[in-house]
Amino acid sequence: DGGITQSPKYLFRKEGQNVTLSCEQNLNHDAMYWYRQDPGQGLRLIYYSQIVNDFQKGDIAEGYSVSREKKESFPLTVTSAQKNPTAFYLCASTPLPGPGDYGYTFGSGTRLTVV
Amino acid sequence: AQSVAQPEDQVNVAEGNPLTVKCTYSVSGNPYLFWYVQYPNRGLQFLLKYITGDNLVKGSYGFEAEFNKSQTSFHLKKPSALVSDSALYFCAVRALNSGNTPLVFGKGTRLSVIA
Repeated sequence: DGGITQSPKYLFRKEGQNVTLSCEQNLNHDAMYWYRQDPGQGLRLIYYSQIVNDFQKGDIAEGYSVSREKKESFPLTVTSAQKNPTAFYLCASTPLPGPGDYGYTFGSGTRLTVV
Repeated sequence: AQSVAQPEDQVNVAEGNPLTVKCTYSVSGNPYLFWYVQYPNRGLQFLLKYITGDNLVKGSYGFEAEFNKSQTSFHLKKPSALVSDSALYFCAVRALNSGNTPLVFGKGTRLSVIA
């Protein structure tokens, strides 16, 4: 079945450590997105990519980095510069460069906790 | 700038009663509008969308939404609520003429259907 796979489902980070969240899709979608979800704050855009080897900052990109070396993959690195990384992270994709008529397909999320 | 407001953090309704989850939006020009549902520790699932055409849009699981251009609203409705409808609901918008900009999400409304 086609879809988006996020891994791991749960991730624990120590202070000062970088961690990478995986997002892989087999839908042949062009655009991919990373959102952060905090209680009562909805979804906030971190980074997005419309095509391979290109990506743009979202509203809260500070302390995060991404790469888009393959169409199928859009990993997110949470760096030590992100002071409050504990949150639920969602990856999404669309078949066009933008939502178009399709909206987003979401992964199941990664819950990151600082310990 | 695009924005979405979901004025109610929580909506409580008795099973079998009609439900409404409110959404208002702000965009330059015509909107693309979406509703998504999220169950605990899961990604968002697409419910329905409005692009053009009839103001009443029908979607998954018996949900529908009414687009009102003069009031810039896109309220989600269901004639008879089920306990299984209890979840977090998100409204999202993108301007039709905004190129490839990502969706902007509201903060979400938690729906609780009581048996």
